[in-house]
Amino acid sequence: GENVEQHPSTLSVQEGDSAVIKCTYSDSASNYFPWYKQELGKGPQLIIDIRSNVGEKKDQRIAVTLNKTAKHFSLHITETQPEDSAVYFCAAPRGSYIPTFGRGTSLIVHP
Amino acid sequence: GAVVSQHPSWVICKSGTSVKIECRSLDFQATTMFWYRQFPKQSLMLMATSNEGSKATYEQGVEKDKFLINHASLTLSTLTVTSAHPEDSSFYICSARTPLERGGSTDTQYFGPGTRLTVL
Repeated sequence: GENVEQHPSTLSVQEGDSAVIKCTYSDSASNYFPWYKQELGKGPQLIIDIRSNVGEKKDQRIAVTLNKTAKHFSLHITETQPEDSAVYFCAAPRGSYIPTFGRGTSLIVHP
Repeated sequence: GAVVSQHPSWVICKSGTSVKIECRSLDFQATTMFWYRQFPKQSLMLMATSNEGSKATYEQGVEKDKFLINHASLTLSTLTVTSAHPEDSSFYICSARTPLERGGSTDTQYFGPGTRLTVL
């Protein structure tokens, strides 16, 4: 089955800095890679996703890059703000659509 | 994006009682919903896949007789924790796949806000 590794587990940055979170996956057949943001006590919120026919996707301050050869994908957040503080999860599908989640990265943005 | 709701948002119950959690897709029909469990500072653990009109598919190690799932309509799935015990205390989250006509795919999932269950 799919195995998803996510690093780092904790990331602390100053407001305005960039943050990068990386995930690797094992199943070369995987073709959809979402990123979720989870605030304390709430459900995960889809913030960006990418499919295997695209190498990079950007949405304002958030971008995701995908390297299918190396089987890894990354979340990039630029100009971080305190409200970006949350736990971020990557996922890769196991089978046709059931996602396997990474362990999560706790992002802390210091004002 | 598509909206998924859960009710209740939190519940406290006595050991031995049963608790029902509802998951609704508010503005779309979801043929497939998923139930997850999350412990503090941990990732989401898939418990089961709920398909409308058919039996749920449970992940290995999840007791189907303890966690009853019913997906009776295209907008509602329920999870009933039967004979709850303190070790069942957790954060339960549902998600739903968006239909293709809403710009979704077989992959895109939207999550509910979660239900915090505390068993005394």
